[in-house]
Amino acid sequence: AQSVTQLDSHVSVSEGTPVLLRCNYSSSYSPSLFWYVQHPNKGLQLLLKYTSAATLVKGINGFEAEFKKSETSFHLTKPSAHMSDAAEYFCVVRRGLGGYNKLIFGAGTRLAVHP
Amino acid sequence: GAVVSQHPSRVICKSGTSVKIECRSLDFQATTMFWYRQFPKQSLMLMATSNEGSKATYEQGVEKDKFLINHASLTLSTLTVTSAHPEDSSFYICSAPFMDGQETQYFGPGTRLLVL
Repeated sequence: AQSVTQLDSHVSVSEGTPVLLRCNYSSSYSPSLFWYVQHPNKGLQLLLKYTSAATLVKGINGFEAEFKKSETSFHLTKPSAHMSDAAEYFCVVRRGLGGYNKLIFGAGTRLAVHP
Repeated sequence: GAVVSQHPSRVICKSGTSVKIECRSLDFQATTMFWYRQFPKQSLMLMATSNEGSKATYEQGVEKDKFLINHASLTLSTLTVTSAHPEDSSFYICSAPFMDGQETQYFGPGTRLLVL
């Protein structure tokens, strides 16, 4: 079975400082992993995805994540936070490569960015 | 990237009435779509998988007769909340996999349902 744990429900950073959102996964198969962002009252936007290619994945808006199989982690980072990054972030695992496989969502991490 | 739309974006209805929510893939075909439910400040929970030309498959605990799903074409899936009650008030989101070689799922903007 697949599952994903986001280790922090809330993260607060100052503008211009690094962002780290932590995610650990559990999967019986080779997983595909995603990070999605949800701004208030908006739909989910794909930030980046890992699908068995390069372990360091670069996404939109300066975000990146590293797949570490030995640690079963897929943490999301950004060198310098912007005010516009304040949102809810979801780490998601999907079994395998097929789009018809279910997505399992983490509980989410709310990122607050202070001036 | 691929675009998925939902209609309506927001709906208010009286208890006991039915509400239909549409999910469309605008520039690609999707034989499968997914319906999620999100309560305030919570994560997304998969409700069902909508299959074009066949019955939807529901997750455990989701009432089939209450949440009717029809995948009418390769670009349209509908979710009908029948005999809605206040506890059905939620944010309903659909998604569709886009065949970009990695079958990334793209999400609609969501429909906020409020049952009075």
